[in-house]
Amino acid sequence: DGGITQSPKYLFRKEGQNVTLSCEQNLNHDAMYWYRQDPGQGLRLIYYSQIVNDFQKGDIAEGYSVSREKKESFPLTVTSAQKNPTAFYLCASSIGNEQYFGPGTRLTVT
Amino acid sequence: SQQGEEDPQALSIQEGENATMNCSYKTSINNLQWYRQNSGRGLVHLILIRSNEREKHSGRLRVTLDTSKKSSSLLITASRAADTASYFCATEYAGGTSYGKLTFGQGTILTVHP
Repeated sequence: DGGITQSPKYLFRKEGQNVTLSCEQNLNHDAMYWYRQDPGQGLRLIYYSQIVNDFQKGDIAEGYSVSREKKESFPLTVTSAQKNPTAFYLCASSIGNEQYFGPGTRLTVT
Repeated sequence: SQQGEEDPQALSIQEGENATMNCSYKTSINNLQWYRQNSGRGLVHLILIRSNEREKHSGRLRVTLDTSKKSSSLLITASRAADTASYFCATEYAGGTSYGKLTFGQGTILTVHP
């Protein structure tokens, strides 16, 4: 069953802790993306990767880090430097113009 | 910011009516896409229109693109309660090394009452 998985669905952390969000795809897509969505807002691009071992900053990369060691995986780390980490995080992949999205992880930091 | 704007922000209609959502953007684009998001879920791709196309249809969806006005509209005909969702336009910027990178609008929340 092909698709994109994100885990966990809900994540709770204390302020000051780093947290890593998982994103895995078995669609054999080259490109992968991380977005942040705040209530009532559109998606904002955090990081994207067009090929293994390469990634670029998006519009709001500060306080986040990523790695792309395998084609299937693109984990996102939310560091303690991110001022407002509480949000809904969406991962996507693409092989052409259309992006395929995972179900999202809702991160709450208190 | 290249981010587009959508209007209306919210739209409430009765089942069977048509729903029209509009999107404006700021830069030259390769294509414009529409996505749907059910509450608390990921986005689902609906339709893509390229910069050299003016109109495209897919089932009950009709998309138009006016590159001179930098605007697009999404029409959903004969709406159903199951169409209730948020709808986002996304543009792929034409230029540089931004291939595949999308800029999303703020979205329109559509509610279809049975």
